[in-house]
Amino acid sequence: GENVEQHPSTLSVQEGDSAVIKCTYSDSASNYFPWYKQELGKGPQLIIDIRSNVGEKKDQRIAVTLNKTAKHFSLHITETQPEDSAVYFCAASKRNSGGGADGLTFGKGTHLIIQP
Amino acid sequence: DTAVSQTPKYLVTQMGNDKSIKCEQNLGHDTMYWYKQDSKKFLKIMFSYNNKELIINETVPNRFSPKSPDKAHLNLHINSLELGDSAVYFCASSQGRGSGFFGPGTRLTVL
Repeated sequence: GENVEQHPSTLSVQEGDSAVIKCTYSDSASNYFPWYKQELGKGPQLIIDIRSNVGEKKDQRIAVTLNKTAKHFSLHITETQPEDSAVYFCAASKRNSGGGADGLTFGKGTHLIIQP
Repeated sequence: DTAVSQTPKYLVTQMGNDKSIKCEQNLGHDTMYWYKQDSKKFLKIMFSYNNKELIINETVPNRFSPKSPDKAHLNLHINSLELGDSAVYFCASSQGRGSGFFGPGTRLTVL
């Protein structure tokens, strides 16, 4: 099955600096890569996603890049703010031939700490 | 309006008991899931239901059984609870190739 590795496990950056979180996946058939933000006591919330036919996607201060050949994808957060502090998860999934939906395989999470 | 809701939010019970967690989504999605998040925050899929058919079962013990009375609901029943079942359980839903929307979670503590 799919295996997703995520690094680093903890990332501390100064407010205003950029943060980068990296993930690799094992199954070349995976074609959907979402990123989730989880705040304390809450469920994961989708912040951005990318499909395998796209190399980069940006939404305001957040961007995701995908390298299908190397099987890795990254989350970039620019101009970090205190409210960006949370645990971030990358995930990967593929759609089976029957057109149904597979579940997400998650990385182990990155605890992002924004230092004021 | 809550998109994916779960009840209860907290569940404390003794080993050996049977319990259920309910999940409802009002997004009109065709697929619902249950995920388990352990004490190290690792999220792992347990089940998914698409149009009332189970399409994934990730080596979960048969003490766990999902039940879907209709497209908007996927409940999780757990029999003979064990200490290792303590975790946060998340329900989620998606539409086809769309993104997964997660519920707020149910923290299960087995004593």
